[in-house]
Amino acid sequence: EVQLVESGGGLVQPGGSLKLSCAASAFSFSSHWMAWVRQAPGKGLEWVANTNEHGSEKYYVDSVRGRFTISRDNAKNSLYLQMDSLRTEDTAVYYCVPGGAGIWGQGTTVTVSS
Amino acid sequence: DALMTQSPLSLSVTLGQPASISCRSSQGLVQSDGNTDLNWFQQRPGQSPRRLIYRVSNRDSGVPDRFSGSGSGTDFTLKISRVEAEDVAVYYCMQYRHWPHTFGQGTKLEIK
Repeated sequence: EVQLVESGGGLVQPGGSLKLSCAASAFSFSSHWMAWVRQAPGKGLEWVANTNEHGSEKYYVDSVRGRFTISRDNAKNSLYLQMDSLRTEDTAVYYCVPGGAGIWGQGTTVTVSS
Repeated sequence: DALMTQSPLSLSVTLGQPASISCRSSQGLVQSDGNTDLNWFQQRPGQSPRRLIYRVSNRDSGVPDRFSGSGSGTDFTLKISRVEAEDVAVYYCMQYRHWPHTFGQGTKLEIK
């Protein structure tokens, strides 16, 4: 069964850092663009960052550029999101998805609060 | 950014009746290869989103055929031919032709 399992979320103070991970299984991970999408509590969906199959191209939404870094390890079928200088408005459930968003995991919750 | 505008934002439908959700993009979504990068998602209460329709009108595996997508250029529609109780959810359109990829605000479907 195709699966994406996100982990690494938690409670962090404003200004802090967190690194999210996403493990893919039964999925041709290295053949797909991958992305992080988030959903703030009670709100809609927001596409956060993209990376191409090799990790050589990366795109970020303006609100996270310079603070978040997307990366991948194709040997481990894993996607990462390093989040620095976190703000309260980064509080959300974070999902990793392939390009086109045809597969979703359960997400991991990030709470930024003092 | 390509702004995605959905209407209505909420919908109350009697079981067995049809429902329709509109999505309008502020920019064209056609790729140079002729494909249109517009998908539809369903998010049931307490669940992760699920893709229903890709590239305007292609149903994902396991999606009931009462769901259909149509449209072109900047105007798109998701239709449910006969609403069932399990269709209670928020529905989102999403474009991935332009960066950043953007979602509509969501349309909440409830049963009347």
